[in-house]
Amino acid sequence: SYELTQPPSVSVSPGQTATITCSGDKLGNKLASWYQQKPGQSPVLVIYEDKRRPSGIPERLSGANSGNTATLTISGTQVVDEADYYCQAWDSSPAVVFGGGTRLTVV
Amino acid sequence: QLQLQESGPGLVKPSETLSLTCNVSGGSISSTSHYWGWIRQPPGKGLEWIGSVYYGGSTYFRPSLKSRVTISVDTSKNLFSLSLKSVTAADTAVYFCARLNIASRFLDYWGQGTLVTVSS
Repeated sequence: SYELTQPPSVSVSPGQTATITCSGDKLGNKLASWYQQKPGQSPVLVIYEDKRRPSGIPERLSGANSGNTATLTISGTQVVDEADYYCQAWDSSPAVVFGGGTRLTVV
Repeated sequence: QLQLQESGPGLVKPSETLSLTCNVSGGSISSTSHYWGWIRQPPGKGLEWIGSVYYGGSTYFRPSLKSRVTISVDTSKNLFSLSLKSVTAADTAVYFCARLNIASRFLDYWGQGTLVTVSS
Protein backbone atom coordinates (compact mmCIF):
# COMPACT_ATOMS: atom_id res chain seq x y z
CA SER A 1 0.00 0.00 0.00
CA TYR A 2 1.04 3.59 -0.58
CA GLU A 3 2.83 5.39 2.24
CA LEU A 4 3.62 9.02 3.06
CA THR A 5 6.49 9.84 5.40
CA GLN A 6 6.81 13.01 7.47
CA PRO A 7 9.33 14.04 10.13
CA PRO A 8 7.76 13.63 13.59
CA SER A 9 8.70 17.12 14.68
CA VAL A 10 9.96 20.45 13.42
CA SER A 11 11.00 23.34 15.61
CA VAL A 12 11.27 26.97 14.51
CA SER A 13 11.75 30.36 16.10
CA PRO A 14 9.04 32.99 15.72
CA GLY A 15 9.45 34.93 12.50
CA GLN A 16 11.57 32.25 10.86
CA THR A 17 10.60 29.87 8.05
CA ALA A 18 9.35 26.39 8.85
CA THR A 19 9.58 23.62 6.27
CA ILE A 20 7.69 20.35 6.63
CA THR A 21 8.33 17.59 4.12
CA CYS A 22 6.20 14.68 3.00
CA SER A 23 7.78 11.85 1.02
CA GLY A 24 6.13 9.19 -1.10
CA ASP A 25 6.88 7.24 -4.24
CA LYS A 26 6.23 9.52 -7.24
CA LEU A 27 4.23 11.82 -5.00
CA GLY A 28 4.77 14.61 -7.50
CA ASN A 29 2.44 12.73 -9.86
CA LYS A 30 -0.38 12.93 -7.31
CA LEU A 31 -2.27 15.85 -5.81
CA ALA A 32 -1.06 16.64 -2.29
CA SER A 33 -3.02 18.34 0.46
CA TRP A 34 -2.05 19.57 3.91
CA TYR A 35 -4.07 19.84 7.10
CA GLN A 36 -3.44 21.73 10.32
CA GLN A 37 -4.74 20.24 13.55
CA LYS A 38 -4.65 21.92 16.93
CA PRO A 39 -5.27 20.02 20.18
CA GLY A 40 -8.86 18.92 20.59
CA GLN A 41 -9.90 20.22 17.18
CA SER A 42 -10.73 18.76 13.82
CA PRO A 43 -8.15 19.00 11.03
CA VAL A 44 -8.36 22.09 8.85
CA LEU A 45 -7.41 22.05 5.17
CA VAL A 46 -4.60 24.58 4.59
CA ILE A 47 -3.22 23.53 1.18
CA TYR A 48 -4.88 21.59 -1.66
CA GLU A 49 -3.86 20.73 -5.22
CA ASP A 50 -0.22 20.94 -4.08
CA LYS A 51 -0.12 24.71 -3.63
CA ARG A 52 -3.57 26.27 -3.46
CA ARG A 53 -4.84 27.90 -0.27
CA PRO A 54 -8.49 27.74 0.79
CA SER A 55 -10.18 31.00 1.61
CA GLY A 56 -9.05 32.34 4.96
CA ILE A 57 -5.68 30.58 5.06
CA PRO A 58 -2.81 33.09 5.49
CA GLU A 59 -0.46 33.70 2.57
CA ARG A 60 2.51 32.77 4.75
CA LEU A 61 1.52 29.11 4.23
CA SER A 62 2.59 27.74 0.86
CA GLY A 63 2.99 24.35 -0.75
CA ALA A 64 4.97 22.63 -3.46
CA ASN A 65 5.10 19.10 -4.83
CA SER A 66 7.69 17.58 -7.15
CA GLY A 67 9.43 14.26 -7.57
CA ASN A 68 8.93 12.24 -4.42
CA THR A 69 8.43 15.13 -2.00
CA ALA A 70 5.70 17.57 -1.12
CA THR A 71 6.62 20.53 1.05
CA LEU A 72 4.65 22.82 3.31
CA THR A 73 6.43 26.09 4.00
CA ILE A 74 5.38 28.58 6.64
CA SER A 75 7.10 31.94 6.26
CA GLY A 76 7.31 34.32 9.18
CA THR A 77 6.06 31.60 11.50
CA GLN A 78 3.84 32.77 14.32
CA VAL A 79 2.97 31.16 17.63
CA VAL A 80 -0.55 30.60 16.28
CA ASP A 81 0.97 28.24 13.68
CA GLU A 82 2.02 25.77 16.36
CA ALA A 83 0.06 22.60 15.57
CA ASP A 84 0.24 19.14 14.03
CA TYR A 85 0.42 19.09 10.24
CA TYR A 86 -0.60 16.16 8.05
CA CYS A 87 0.02 15.64 4.37
CA GLN A 88 -2.47 13.61 2.35
CA ALA A 89 -2.80 12.10 -1.11
CA TRP A 90 -4.95 9.54 -2.83
CA ASP A 91 -3.84 6.11 -3.90
CA SER A 92 -5.29 4.62 -7.07
CA SER A 93 -8.03 2.66 -5.34
CA PRO A 94 -9.13 5.46 -4.52
CA ALA A 95 -7.76 5.25 -1.03
CA VAL A 96 -7.01 8.26 1.11
CA VAL A 97 -3.50 8.20 2.56
CA PHE A 98 -2.24 10.44 5.36
CA GLY A 99 1.31 11.04 6.43
CA GLY A 100 2.15 10.28 10.04
CA GLY A 101 1.99 13.93 11.01
CA THR A 102 4.55 16.55 12.03
CA ARG A 103 4.36 18.50 15.26
CA LEU A 104 5.44 22.09 14.62
CA THR A 105 6.81 23.81 17.69
CA VAL A 106 7.37 27.57 17.67
CA VAL A 107 9.91 28.50 20.34
CA GLN B 1 -22.23 26.53 5.02
CA LEU B 2 -21.88 22.76 4.94
CA GLN B 3 -21.82 21.08 8.35
CA LEU B 4 -21.15 17.50 9.33
CA GLN B 5 -22.07 16.06 12.72
CA GLU B 6 -21.13 12.65 14.05
CA SER B 7 -23.37 10.83 16.49
CA GLY B 8 -23.35 7.47 18.22
CA PRO B 9 -22.37 5.68 21.43
CA GLY B 10 -19.22 6.82 23.15
CA LEU B 11 -18.59 3.43 24.73
CA VAL B 12 -18.61 0.04 23.01
CA LYS B 13 -17.79 -3.33 24.53
CA PRO B 14 -15.04 -5.51 23.05
CA SER B 15 -16.24 -7.89 20.30
CA GLU B 16 -19.34 -5.76 19.69
CA THR B 17 -20.14 -3.46 16.77
CA LEU B 18 -19.34 0.25 16.68
CA SER B 19 -22.00 2.26 14.85
CA LEU B 20 -21.79 5.95 14.00
CA THR B 21 -23.85 8.29 11.86
CA CYS B 22 -22.78 11.49 10.13
CA ASN B 23 -25.57 13.99 9.51
CA VAL B 24 -24.89 16.39 6.67
CA SER B 25 -26.57 19.80 6.68
CA GLY B 26 -26.25 22.88 4.53
CA GLY B 27 -25.72 20.84 1.38
CA SER B 28 -26.77 17.67 -0.39
CA ILE B 29 -25.10 14.34 0.13
CA SER B 30 -26.19 13.48 -3.44
CA SER B 31 -23.29 15.37 -4.96
CA THR B 32 -21.59 13.94 -8.02
CA SER B 33 -18.38 15.75 -7.05
CA HIS B 34 -17.81 14.26 -3.62
CA TYR B 35 -17.24 11.15 -1.62
CA TRP B 36 -18.12 11.00 2.06
CA GLY B 37 -15.59 9.48 4.38
CA TRP B 38 -14.72 8.28 7.85
CA ILE B 39 -11.35 8.96 9.43
CA ARG B 40 -10.19 8.05 12.92
CA GLN B 41 -7.46 9.19 15.26
CA PRO B 42 -6.36 7.02 18.19
CA PRO B 43 -5.40 9.03 21.29
CA GLY B 44 -2.08 10.75 20.73
CA LYS B 45 -1.66 9.32 17.24
CA GLY B 46 -2.16 10.35 13.63
CA LEU B 47 -5.07 10.32 11.21
CA GLU B 48 -6.19 7.04 9.68
CA TRP B 49 -8.62 6.82 6.78
CA ILE B 50 -11.26 4.12 7.31
CA GLY B 51 -13.32 4.30 4.13
CA SER B 52 -15.44 6.37 1.78
CA VAL B 53 -18.85 6.16 0.16
CA TYR B 54 -20.39 7.75 -2.93
CA TYR B 55 -24.03 8.84 -2.87
CA GLY B 56 -24.82 6.05 -5.30
CA GLY B 57 -23.55 3.51 -2.79
CA SER B 58 -20.06 2.67 -4.08
CA THR B 59 -17.65 2.12 -1.21
CA TYR B 60 -13.88 2.06 -0.71
CA PHE B 61 -12.13 0.79 2.40
CA ARG B 62 -8.77 0.71 4.11
CA PRO B 63 -7.45 -2.77 3.28
CA SER B 64 -6.61 -3.64 6.89
CA LEU B 65 -10.18 -2.85 8.01
CA LYS B 66 -12.11 -4.03 4.98
CA SER B 67 -13.32 -7.28 6.54
CA ARG B 68 -14.88 -5.45 9.50
CA VAL B 69 -16.23 -2.21 7.99
CA THR B 70 -19.51 -1.27 6.39
CA ILE B 71 -20.28 2.26 5.19
CA SER B 72 -23.73 3.14 3.91
CA VAL B 73 -25.49 6.26 2.69
CA ASP B 74 -29.11 7.38 3.12
CA THR B 75 -29.82 10.11 0.60
CA SER B 76 -33.39 10.60 1.87
CA LYS B 77 -32.03 11.59 5.28
CA ASN B 78 -28.84 13.22 4.00
CA LEU B 79 -26.59 11.10 6.16
CA PHE B 80 -24.05 8.31 5.96
CA SER B 81 -23.09 5.70 8.50
CA LEU B 82 -20.17 3.62 9.71
CA SER B 83 -20.33 0.15 11.17
CA LEU B 84 -17.19 -1.53 12.53
CA LYS B 85 -17.66 -5.01 13.91
CA SER B 86 -15.66 -7.13 16.35
CA VAL B 87 -14.02 -4.11 17.96
CA THR B 88 -11.04 -4.26 20.31
CA ALA B 89 -9.26 -1.68 22.44
CA ALA B 90 -7.18 -0.81 19.36
CA ASP B 91 -10.32 0.69 17.81
CA THR B 92 -10.54 3.31 20.56
CA ALA B 93 -10.24 6.64 18.76
CA VAL B 94 -11.83 9.93 17.83
CA TYR B 95 -13.90 9.24 14.74
CA PHE B 96 -14.36 12.02 12.19
CA CYS B 97 -16.62 12.18 9.17
CA ALA B 98 -15.59 14.37 6.25
CA ARG B 99 -16.40 15.38 2.68
CA LEU B 100 -13.92 14.40 -0.03
CA ASN B 101 -13.52 16.39 -3.24
CA ILE B 102 -13.15 13.77 -5.96
CA ALA B 103 -11.47 15.85 -8.65
CA SER B 104 -8.94 17.60 -6.44
CA ARG B 105 -8.62 14.81 -3.88
CA PHE B 106 -8.83 16.70 -0.63
CA LEU B 107 -11.08 16.69 2.43
CA ASP B 108 -12.64 20.11 2.77
CA TYR B 109 -15.28 19.76 5.48
CA TRP B 110 -14.88 17.77 8.69
CA GLY B 111 -17.16 16.97 11.57
CA GLN B 112 -16.09 17.86 15.09
CA GLY B 113 -15.24 14.24 15.84
CA THR B 114 -16.59 11.86 18.44
CA LEU B 115 -14.56 9.79 20.89
CA VAL B 116 -15.41 6.11 20.93
CA THR B 117 -13.89 4.04 23.69
CA VAL B 118 -13.82 0.25 23.50
CA SER B 119 -13.93 -1.14 27.00
CA SER B 120 -15.89 -3.63 29.06
